[in-house]
Amino acid sequence: EDQVTQSPEALRLQEGESSSLNCSYTVSGLRGLFWYRQDPGKGPEFLFTLYSAGEEKEKERLKATLTKKESFLHITAPKPEDSATYLCAVQAGGNFNKFYFGSGTKLNVKP
Amino acid sequence: DGGITQSPKYLFRKEGQNVTLSCEQNLNHDAMYWYRQDPGQGLRLIYYSQIVNDFQKGDIAEGYSVSREKKESFPLTVTSAQKNPTAFYLCASSPREGLRAFFGQGTRRTVV
Repeated sequence: EDQVTQSPEALRLQEGESSSLNCSYTVSGLRGLFWYRQDPGKGPEFLFTLYSAGEEKEKERLKATLTKKESFLHITAPKPEDSATYLCAVQAGGNFNKFYFGSGTKLNVKP
Repeated sequence: DGGITQSPKYLFRKEGQNVTLSCEQNLNHDAMYWYRQDPGQGLRLIYYSQIVNDFQKGDIAEGYSVSREKKESFPLTVTSAQKNPTAFYLCASSPREGLRAFFGQGTRRTVV
């Protein structure tokens, strides 16, 4: 069964304390992996798309990487404004409209 | 500014009432989607539409209906058969099927 699992469920960091979020997937025929940021009560905001193993994308303090089984979202020297829930979604198989979402990692960065 | 507009932001309804959630986009996107987000769970697909006058069921379509009469509009009706008391509904669109989605700000529905 196609599945996307994110870990940890919640993460508390001190400002400046770098860490990584994990998104592991078991799908047939990966077409793309997407990272989104979601603030409370808001819709998800797009961060990155990764298409093949070995690919990396960076944006400010965030860096996303992809292997054949998982993706990592690395957060370097986070700030309180990075606090949010980070969602991972995988597009797989022949149905281009099929996105499998993980349940997210809730990040809290303390000043 | 281009974007996706959902309304209302909050919706309170009694059990047994059908309600319609609005989703409008001015991005000229072909594909539109409805997702439901429950606490502690990932987004789950309710319905999607690739073109006007065509739509497909997602994983949790029971208790819901949609229409796509115009490219920019994709309203979702939550029927009285939908028993989930509280949920966060998200509408999204993408330039064509498969590309990353742009999301609206969501509608939170509560049954009173």
